[in-house]
Amino acid sequence: KQEVTQIPAALSVPEGENLVLNCSFTDSAIYNLQWFRQDPGKGLTSLLLIQSSQREQTSGRLNASLDKSSGRSTLYIAASQPGDSATYLCAVPKSAGNKLTFGGGTRVLVKP
Amino acid sequence: GAVVSQHPSRVICKSGTSVKIECRSLDFQATTMFWYRQFPKQSLMLMATSNEGSKATYEQGVEKDKFLINHASLTLSTLTVTSAHPEDSSFYICSARVPTSGTDTQYFGPGTRLTVL
Repeated sequence: KQEVTQIPAALSVPEGENLVLNCSFTDSAIYNLQWFRQDPGKGLTSLLLIQSSQREQTSGRLNASLDKSSGRSTLYIAASQPGDSATYLCAVPKSAGNKLTFGGGTRVLVKP
Repeated sequence: GAVVSQHPSRVICKSGTSVKIECRSLDFQATTMFWYRQFPKQSLMLMATSNEGSKATYEQGVEKDKFLINHASLTLSTLTVTSAHPEDSSFYICSARVPTSGTDTQYFGPGTRLTVL
């Protein structure tokens, strides 16, 4: 059974500092890995999707890496802003179309 | 990107009543939709997989007679919480799978906050 863990559970940083969020999974047979953002009381916004054959994906200030063999992914957010405050979730499906298994999320607070 | 809507966004009901939540894919057809439940400060837990034209597949521990799922068209799936009780109060989120070649992305709705008094 796939288990996804995110550490730390919460993170507070001053504005401008880089953020490093970690995601680990127990079964390396994944199809892809997705990072999502969730604001309080809202749905999920997809940030980045890394295919299993890729090692990283970048979008603006966001960069996500994937190391399948070690079961890890890291989301980097450069030059954090107060608007980056949210909960960040990673999720993996085992195969195409398969259900997503989510990590517990990391709650981020960026202080002005 | 693909847009998924949910209705209502929040609902308050009395214990014992039934509540229906709609999930729509607005600009694409979704053969597969997923229903998740999220308790405060917890992550999303998959409840069931909804396939158009066939019965939903429920996760272990989810009562299929309590959480009725209907996926009657390629753009609409509904979740009905029957005889709701206070412990059913939660945030319910749906997603729709977009089987675009090579990505297989899921797009999520904005969620429905259910409060059972």
